[in-house]
Amino acid sequence: AQRVTQPEKLLSVFKGAPVELKCNYSYSGSPELFWYVQYSRQRLQLLLRHISRESIKGFTADLNKGETSFHLKKPFAQEEDSAMYYCALSFGSSNTGKLIFGQGTTLQVKP
Amino acid sequence: SQTIHQWPATLVQPVGSPLSLECTVEGTSNPNLYWYRQAAGRGLQLLFYSVGIGQISSEVPQNLSASRPQDRQFILSSKKLLLSDSGFYLCAWSAIPGFSEAFFGQGTRLTVV
Repeated sequence: AQRVTQPEKLLSVFKGAPVELKCNYSYSGSPELFWYVQYSRQRLQLLLRHISRESIKGFTADLNKGETSFHLKKPFAQEEDSAMYYCALSFGSSNTGKLIFGQGTTLQVKP
Repeated sequence: SQTIHQWPATLVQPVGSPLSLECTVEGTSNPNLYWYRQAAGRGLQLLFYSVGIGQISSEVPQNLSASRPQDRQFILSSKKLLLSDSGFYLCAWSAIPGFSEAFFGQGTRLTVV
């Protein structure tokens, strides 16, 4: 069965420290992977998608098919990065529209 | 531009009462539509998704049902609410399955008493 796992419920770091939010997935086909972010009192929104290979707000994520991982990284955390982060998996153009999420990780960046 | 409306924002209902949460999308045609439940420690659980009018896929067995009577309207319902139905419900849409960003509504906080 398809699954997304985020092993950490809470990640607490100091400002300026590196950040890595872990995400592992289970899917036998070609996945489409995303990171979504929810800032306090705001709607859940897309942060980045693996197909774009982009850096957003200093965050990057690389798809590792061998390890079935899509970890989110940032070299120097900022206080404004504090939020809930969700890793998400979709199943490509031949899918039936299914989009599933992990359990979420709360990132707390301390001053 | 596209927008998604979800209402009501909060709802308190007695056990055994019916439920109807509505979600509508503007500015796009034939969207994929989703209902999620967000719970602390359990993340975003996909409840239902729909790729077209009248086409509903259920992800988890539960006391809830979903319907899509119109292209851009998605309704979450229950005939008799249980205490365990309490939670935060999110509606979302995406344009193209797999490659497209999903856009979320503001959510509905449902408390069953």
